[in-house]
Amino acid sequence: TQLLEQSPQFLSIQEGENLTVYCNSSSVFSSLQWYRQEPGEGPVLLVTVVTGGEVKKLKRLTFQFGDARKDSSLHITAAQPGDTGLYLCAGEEGNKLVFGAGTILRVKS
Amino acid sequence: EAGVAQSPRYKIIEKRQSVAFWCNPISGHATLYWYQQILGQGPKLLIQFQNNGVVDDSQLPKDRFSAERLKGVDSTLKIQPAKLEDSAVYLCASSLVGGSYVQTQYFGPGTRLLVL
Repeated sequence: TQLLEQSPQFLSIQEGENLTVYCNSSSVFSSLQWYRQEPGEGPVLLVTVVTGGEVKKLKRLTFQFGDARKDSSLHITAAQPGDTGLYLCAGEEGNKLVFGAGTILRVKS
Repeated sequence: EAGVAQSPRYKIIEKRQSVAFWCNPISGHATLYWYQQILGQGPKLLIQFQNNGVVDDSQLPKDRFSAERLKGVDSTLKIQPAKLEDSAVYLCASSLVGGSYVQTQYFGPGTRLLVL
């Protein structure tokens, strides 16, 4: 099973700040997904990236897949309290997903 | 459209007891997944069903865990007997189809299990 390492593990910032979280692996994935999980809920898919170098934007969130398809980043511009949650990346391995441990983001107002 | 339903939402048991979780996937979704999410970790796939057949159960501890999906709709996951390290959130997810590539998975709210 391929491993995905996410950093930082925990991030606490003020509303309006920008941030970037990372998802890294030594292995190549055919696709990579980002999820957000709020307390007491299941993960919700934010985006899927497939092509090396691909950049996708979802409002204030920008996702990038590394050229070699081994790493990915999530950048949030002007963070809001509603962005608070656990951000998980998941790589496609065969026909299943392998999840990282996640980054806990807390945005203070 | 109704989401993935799970019950119970919380369960507290003593070690060596048995417990069962229930999942009702989104209508029409052929593939159903059970994940275990231990505190501080990401979800780990336990078992994947396509209709009522098992696609992948390589990470299911079969000496104590069992799962079934009779009639290809609802599913139950059972632990017997439970150990302290089974304390976790058990997530159910479903997708339209499985196969050779990953489809969008829709997760339920999970069942939080505490084993004392």
